[in-house]
Amino acid sequence: NAGVTQTPKFRILKIGQSMTLQCTQDMNHNYMYWYRQDPGMGLKLIYYSVGAGITDKGEVPNGYNVSRSTTEDFPLRLELAAPSQTSVYFCASNPLGTVEAFFGQGTRLTVV
Amino acid sequence: AQSVAQPEDQVNVAEGNPLTVKCTYSVSGNPYLFWYVQYPNRGLQFLLKYITGDNLVKGSYGFEAEFNKSQTSFHLKKPSALVSDSALYFCAVRDMAGSSNTGKLIFGQGTTLQVKP
Repeated sequence: NAGVTQTPKFRILKIGQSMTLQCTQDMNHNYMYWYRQDPGMGLKLIYYSVGAGITDKGEVPNGYNVSRSTTEDFPLRLELAAPSQTSVYFCASNPLGTVEAFFGQGTRLTVV
Repeated sequence: AQSVAQPEDQVNVAEGNPLTVKCTYSVSGNPYLFWYVQYPNRGLQFLLKYITGDNLVKGSYGFEAEFNKSQTSFHLKKPSALVSDSALYFCAVRDMAGSSNTGKLIFGQGTTLQVKP
């Protein structure tokens, strides 16, 4: 049982490039989330999903897009990378009816 | 607006001494409160939660937290700190805005715990 898996672990992007951060979970959780972590700021919610085919914006969605075609996968897309998107990105999942979330190991992204 | 505050950026404690990491919250209604720990270059690990019931909640690795409704606080505690407890600690509250419980979390800014031998 792998839990929540994120790839890649590290990535350096140039300004204007695009990339997709992958997240998959094998726990059959309905709810999935993308957070970004900036020093001294805690974690901020980017997007979330309550099930396949359903996504919604969080607190800081600008510059990102998501999709949820299956229960397992919740990729995060950066279309035009900007230095402000330099951050550590965490994917998390939560089973319906339970309260604590399970987090992936994170993706450290640097935009130069 | 809902929020979580961790007033200390860093807490220093000697090994064997008791530790407290502070957290206060502001939410409408009854809060769902959580503590997570993050070790260097790792994801967040769940420590404990308060949903309802006993105000003293026990969690993983000997940690506990005390829910105080009148002071809107949920401080993390441990009777005897270990060097291996050194990490970044996050307090979080379930975002209850809107009509459905979507499991979204609002995090505090984090507190670095340093336990010295």
